[in-house]
Amino acid sequence: EAGVAQSPRYKIIEKRQSVAFWCNPISGHATLYWYQQILGQGPKLLIQFQNNGVVDDSQLPKDRFSAERLKGVDSTLKIQPAKLEDSAVYLCASSRTDYNEQFFGPGTRLTVL
Amino acid sequence: AQSVTQLDSHVSVSEGTPVLLRCNYSSSYSPSLFWYVQHPNKGLQLLLKYTSAATLVKGINGFEAEFKKSETSFHLTKPSAHMSDAAEYFCVVSEEYGNTGKLIFGQGTTLQVKP
Repeated sequence: EAGVAQSPRYKIIEKRQSVAFWCNPISGHATLYWYQQILGQGPKLLIQFQNNGVVDDSQLPKDRFSAERLKGVDSTLKIQPAKLEDSAVYLCASSRTDYNEQFFGPGTRLTVL
Repeated sequence: AQSVTQLDSHVSVSEGTPVLLRCNYSSSYSPSLFWYVQHPNKGLQLLLKYTSAATLVKGINGFEAEFKKSETSFHLTKPSAHMSDAAEYFCVVSEEYGNTGKLIFGQGTTLQVKP
């Protein structure tokens, strides 16, 4: 079974630029999560989808971050405009339902200069 | 609100000696607790999980953890460390309120294994 795929693996941008990350969950997984992991900290949930609906986006900075999951499969996370403090690893995870084990992708490391 | 505190940011052991990574949790409900491991440039991997069944939970690669409600602890142990165990370890609690399955991560413990 293929795991959670993410791209790109690394991205370097300047502040005020925009960036987008892509995630392809494990086939058949209804729930998809985006986490932000700042260096030296544990991951923090940004947004959770159940199929293509948002379950929890309480910690998503909506003035600059947006996410979508069209057709309940792939998802994209966008930052516009980026700030220095957005430098982090962005992790995507998926699970069969919101009660099941979450499987994590390798992450996208974002550096904002 | 639920939270976890990992009591050590860095643990160093010699190969072949026991490993102890400490975690305390705070929860108003019966918690689900997890340990995840993160190797450099790799995704997070579930080591083990506690979901109100047996208090001693066995996981992969020889790790186990014991849920102690009276001490609100969920420490991770392994009898004999291997070089490949060197990684970042996260203690995690699942937010039960609202039943979203939301995971709340601790700050992480870096395990160093010396030859």
